Amino acid sequence: QLVESGGGLVQPGGSLRLSCAASGFTFSAYNMNWVRQPPGKGLEWVSHISSIGNTFYYADSVKGRFAISRDNVKNSLYLQMNSLRDEDTAVYYCAREDVEVADAFDIWGQGTMVTVSS
Amino acid sequence: DIQMTQSPSSLSASVGDRVTITCRASQSISRYLNWYQQKPGTAPKLLIYAASSLQSGVPSRFRGSGSGTDFTLTISSLQPEDFATYYCQQTYSPPRGTFGQGTKLGIK
Repeated sequence: QLVESGGGLVQPGGSLRLSCAASGFTFSAYNMNWVRQPPGKGLEWVSHISSIGNTFYYADSVKGRFAISRDNVKNSLYLQMNSLRDEDTAVYYCAREDVEVADAFDIWGQGTMVTVSS
Repeated sequence: DIQMTQSPSSLSASVGDRVTITCRASQSISRYLNWYQQKPGTAPKLLIYAASSLQSGVPSRFRGSGSGTDFTLTISSLQPEDFATYYCQQTYSPPRGTFGQGTKLGIK
């Protein structure tokens, strides 16, 4: 399973670091992703990191402000969010990407809420 | 970047109805198309991967088809638990993971 933490209320321009703890599978064997969902809106893919942490992709909306990382010893995924904006307000999910299902996201966390507001 | 467009954005149906949701990619994505179901307050759930393969545990009334740019999700006989929002997603090329805007399936 995946369990996110670290969400909360932050002022515009502030920073926040999200964590995602993995258990029940070999974390180091899987690519991982962050997906977000603003209140009442659809899903937006945010970022991807390869299984060994050497390849990264970001949505244009967060490029240069967010940084994804992982610690395969601690079985954890992270999202460092800087220069936060009102439009970053959303539930943030971590999700496992599985090559056995055409790289679909087969395991999701419960989500953590990030609210950017003054 | 590849854009995903779903239609309709919402629809209403009754228990027992057959419904079809369409997803179109802005360029060919072969069969790298997945479908998810999301109910309010919960995380998305993978239903179908690789355009037509049923994820383990998903009822057979869900069927996916298509390749290239045009895909469909069909629910053959709606059950009460199927009323939810459905999203398509491409995992063909970076930035992988692009979602459609969603289709909200409501009760008529």
